[in-house]
Amino acid sequence: AQSVTQPDIHITVSEGASLELRCNYSYGATPYLFWYVQSPGQGLQLLLKYFSGDTLVQGIKGFEAEFKRSQSSFNLRKPSVHWSDAAEYFCAVGNMEYGNKLVFGAGTILRVKS
Amino acid sequence: NAGVTQTPKFRILKIGQSMTLQCTQDMNHNYMYWYRQDPGMGLKLIYYSVGAGITDKGEVPNGYNVSRSTTEDFPLRLELAAPSQTSVYFCASSATGTFNNEQFFGPGTRLTVL
Repeated sequence: AQSVTQPDIHITVSEGASLELRCNYSYGATPYLFWYVQSPGQGLQLLLKYFSGDTLVQGIKGFEAEFKRSQSSFNLRKPSVHWSDAAEYFCAVGNMEYGNKLVFGAGTILRVKS
Repeated sequence: NAGVTQTPKFRILKIGQSMTLQCTQDMNHNYMYWYRQDPGMGLKLIYYSVGAGITDKGEVPNGYNVSRSTTEDFPLRLELAAPSQTSVYFCASSATGTFNNEQFFGPGTRLTVL
């Protein structure tokens, strides 16, 4: 069965500092990988996705993620965090077993110190 | 466009009561989904629909029912509310069932069963 692990429940970074959120997945075939962001009181918004090709993908709001097959990882990065980035971040892997089903990690809550 | 809208935003139910969570999308999407999000957990798929009149179970369907009489609406019904159904419920939609098409999420309904 597929699974997604986000090892960090909470992360706190200073504004302007760099950020890396970790995501590891378990999936036999080539995965479809996603990062979503959930701001307080809002629904989830897609940041970026990886299907194939270049392993470094760019997303919205200055985020990027790198797919590393050997490590089964898809970590999210941002070179300089802004206070507005404080939110909860979810990594997800696609599963065709249930339609367009996404299997989500437990999420990482990002706090930004000013 | 409003995207995906959900009502109500918040609800408190007593054990054994019933209620319907409403979900409407105005993007003419064929696929619609219901997820629940428990604290410290990723989103879990409850039910999904691939078009009007067609629904199917997801990962955690017990205690819920759905219907899809129109393309726009996908209500979720709780018949006998239980404390285990305390959660945040998200509705989502996508144009097709492939991962090339982004799932768009509503803002969620926070349900407490006491």
